[in-house]
Amino acid sequence: QLVVTQSPSASASLGASVRLTCTLSSGHDYYTIAWHQQQPGKGPRYLMKLNGDGSHYRGDGIPDRFSGSSSGAERYLTISSLQSEDEADYYCQTWDTAIVVFGGGTKLTVL
Amino acid sequence: VRLEQSGAEVRKPGESLKISCKGSGYSFNMYWIAWVRQLPGKGLEWMGIIYPDDSDTRYSPSFRGQVTLSADKSINTVYLQWSSLKASDTAIYYCARRLGGYDYDFGDWGPGTLVTVSS
Repeated sequence: QLVVTQSPSASASLGASVRLTCTLSSGHDYYTIAWHQQQPGKGPRYLMKLNGDGSHYRGDGIPDRFSGSSSGAERYLTISSLQSEDEADYYCQTWDTAIVVFGGGTKLTVL
Repeated sequence: VRLEQSGAEVRKPGESLKISCKGSGYSFNMYWIAWVRQLPGKGLEWMGIIYPDDSDTRYSPSFRGQVTLSADKSINTVYLQWSSLKASDTAIYYCARRLGGYDYDFGDWGPGTLVTVSS
């Protein structure tokens, strides 16, 4: 069964970098995912698509402070030069034929 | 690209409801539109997806039989409807556009429609 797992929370200091992790279930470690950001009180925003080889494609207007990488079944979202507006929930999303799955989300706190 | 959703709704349990999502700024018929639920204080849940050109629809197993997706391509609009709402349907519902190609990443999101079901 296709499942993606995220840590519930993360924190990092203003101006620092943070890496969030999304883990694919066994047997799915080559799957492509997408990362979405949801700021407090707002709808989700697409950040990027991230392939199993680490190549990634940011959405329109997404700054290059947001980058993606992959290792095995893990998919990472790295945010550098953290800003206060980066405090948000981050969701990974993956898919198979006619099925879409979201992770539970990681709440990022910027200290 | 813009996805415009209908306004907040308040209904009683057992009532029906249809909410909408209107797309503009792209070839509406050619892109799948998904519906995503967010329960209060919770994460995102995929409900289903529809291709407006021919109304081909796929449902999440968790939502099949609970909701109905439909489309009216003549007015660039897709719909999500319930025939009998429950209090547990209280949530924000987002529509999202699947980007082209083989993948199902949702590149554009609507602002959401808050549905409140309460007696």
